[in-house]
Amino acid sequence: ILNVEQSPQSLHVQEGDSTNFTCSFPSSNFYALHWYRWETAKSPEALFVMTLNGDEKKKGRISATLNTKEGYSYLYIKGSQPEDSATYLCAFMNAGGTSYGKLTFGQGTILTVHP
Amino acid sequence: ETGVTQSPTHLIKTRGQQVTLRCSSQSGHNTVSWYQQALGQGPQFIFQYYREEENGRGNFPPRFSGLQFPNYSSELNVNALELDDSALYLCASSPGTGGIGETQYFGPGTRLLVL
Repeated sequence: ILNVEQSPQSLHVQEGDSTNFTCSFPSSNFYALHWYRWETAKSPEALFVMTLNGDEKKKGRISATLNTKEGYSYLYIKGSQPEDSATYLCAFMNAGGTSYGKLTFGQGTILTVHP
Repeated sequence: ETGVTQSPTHLIKTRGQQVTLRCSSQSGHNTVSWYQQALGQGPQFIFQYYREEENGRGNFPPRFSGLQFPNYSSELNVNALELDDSALYLCASSPGTGGIGETQYFGPGTRLLVL
């Protein structure tokens, strides 16, 4: 059974604070790591797909790093804004098994940014 | 928005009934995946279809079945509903085979309540 863990479960920050969360995943048979942002009553929005050890991706104030050897990824938000409030999900895709294309999700980090 | 739509948005059924949930993928997207999100958990992979054939399945019983049509629409059918089937059901489409490095574009989900 693949285990994808995210921490913290929830986070409250003030507008302007920078923040980061962690996604831990199995380090063997790595294929890809996805990050999604999910606002209430909307569709999950793809942020990054990361495939190479040492990958760093950036989209505006949000960036992510990947360490496949030790099995973790960090998501950083610089200068948080209230509109960043959402659930941030990571999802792992492994190379083995018969479940081709399967994303295994963590339980998410709920971010609330207070004005 | 992702261009992926789902219907209905909400649904109430009773135990033992059957339900069909629908998804309309982005035009040109050959792969559709279905996920179940129970309360407090991350989405769990049900199965994936590529060009109308199932090509990956998660740990769900056979009473969960699917269909994919040539017009980029798809269905998730659940027979003999159980109380534990109450969840948010998400579909996600991708342009290729749904494999490494490929973003999956999610719909907003259908919330199913089984009484």
